[in-house]
Amino acid sequence: KNEVEQSPQNLTAQEGEFITINCSYSVGISALHWLQQHPGGGIVSLFMLSSGKKKHGRLIATINIQEKHSSLHITASHPRDSAVYICAVSAGNQFYFGTGTSLTVIP
Amino acid sequence: KAGVTQTPRYLIKTRGQQVTLSCSPISGHRSVSWYQQTPGQGLQFLFEYFSETQRNKGNFPGRFSGRQFSNSRSEMNVSTLELGDSALYLCASSLTGGRGEQYFGPGTRLTVT
Repeated sequence: KNEVEQSPQNLTAQEGEFITINCSYSVGISALHWLQQHPGGGIVSLFMLSSGKKKHGRLIATINIQEKHSSLHITASHPRDSAVYICAVSAGNQFYFGTGTSLTVIP
Repeated sequence: KAGVTQTPRYLIKTRGQQVTLSCSPISGHRSVSWYQQTPGQGLQFLFEYFSETQRNKGNFPGRFSGRQFSNSRSEMNVSTLELGDSALYLCASSLTGGRGEQYFGPGTRLTVT
C-alpha cells in the first residue's frame, strides 16, 4: 500500500479550464509538498503546507489534516502548466511521494 | 543566489562498477536530501544529511551511501552497480530538511549497462 495516493493519474484539459488534483495520505505528517516536474526532469517546489490554504498566482493548495487530504487547484489553466504534479509528505524520518499526475493543457 | 547544482549531469557505467555523484546546495542550506526516480518506482527517498550527519534514511540497500562535507556539499556513492540502479538521481537542499521547502537540483541521469 502506498503511503501517498494521487488522482487522477492523467489529466487533459482545454486552456482556461479549472483543474483539481487530489492527494490522500495514510501517515502522520509534518508537512505536505506539491512539486512540479517538467519534461527533462527538473523539479520545482510549488507549495509546502502543514495546515489551511496557500495561493500563488493561479495555483491554490489546500490541506485537511483531519481527513488526510490535500488538493492542488489551477485556475485558468494554460499550456505552460503542462507538467507532472507530484504530492509528497514529510513523515517522521521519511519522505513519501505520490506517483504523480500528468497534466496536458491543450490550446 | 545560485541554485542547487549536481555533477555530472549524465553518466554511463557498467554493471559492477561504482559511481559517485555530487550535489552543491544553495548557499546557507545545511540539509541535503537525495532521491531516486525511476519509471517503475517513481520518486523514492534515499537519505538526508544535515550538518555532516546522516539524519534520515530511506529503504535502500547498503550499496547506497553518502556523505556531507563541512561546506554542506554532499556526495552519493553507489557501489557494485546493478542494471536496476539506472535512474535519475536528484538532490534537494533546504534550510531545515523535510519540514522545510525543498529546492531541487537538475539531477544526474545514470545509465547502467
